[in-house]
Amino acid sequence: KNQVEQSPQSLIILEGKNCTLQCNYTVSPFSNLRWYKQDTGRGPVSLTIMTFSENTKSNGRYTATLDADTKQSSLHITASQLSDSASYICVVRGPTDSWGKLQFGAGTQVVVTP
Amino acid sequence: DTEVTQTPKHLVMGMTNKKSLKCEQHMGHRAMYWYKQKAKKPPELMFVYSYEKLSINESVPSRFSPECPNSSLLNLHLHALQPEDSALYLCASSQVGSNQPQHFGDGTRLSIL
Repeated sequence: KNQVEQSPQSLIILEGKNCTLQCNYTVSPFSNLRWYKQDTGRGPVSLTIMTFSENTKSNGRYTATLDADTKQSSLHITASQLSDSASYICVVRGPTDSWGKLQFGAGTQVVVTP
Repeated sequence: DTEVTQTPKHLVMGMTNKKSLKCEQHMGHRAMYWYKQKAKKPPELMFVYSYEKLSINESVPSRFSPECPNSSLLNLHLHALQPEDSALYLCASSQVGSNQPQHFGDGTRLSIL
């Protein structure tokens, strides 16, 4: 079973609107959680990273939250733009002795329409 | 532009061919990675090199052979591939350590005929 579950699988939003993506994980112990954006035909690009003690982190119009007690994270996109159309992947790093390994969610495909 | 450069961007090969994928970074990163990504799926880790030594092999078939000739270069040698090996192959690099972000290249789109 995947240790990182994302929802929804896909969503369509109007340009200028806000949206929130969800990530639930079971990876334990937990080192950090990162959100990546992957444009079609490109490699993933890191948006935010949060460690156990952080609750929120912003990067421009992207705001990520983390609740380590419930093992949930969200990514909020404010005032969406057409360029926000992409797959958003939640990635969790587990124990420090497996630093090279990441647990990837399946991603949420976001389509922003004019 | 991405700081991790992968070549070629696209590759079509037959099942009997031998080809290589190349990855290069000049950020001074000492960890480099190969991932395989199928359509609408997350990347799957294949190999990790740390200080030019193979540290993780995720039980990848021997028809995939990685090589790290120096700290800036990572190759993936391909031989006798199967149609199900068609995918996007992503290279990434990072500083060694648990909180260091991985920087991804744009991948090589591989098609096996």
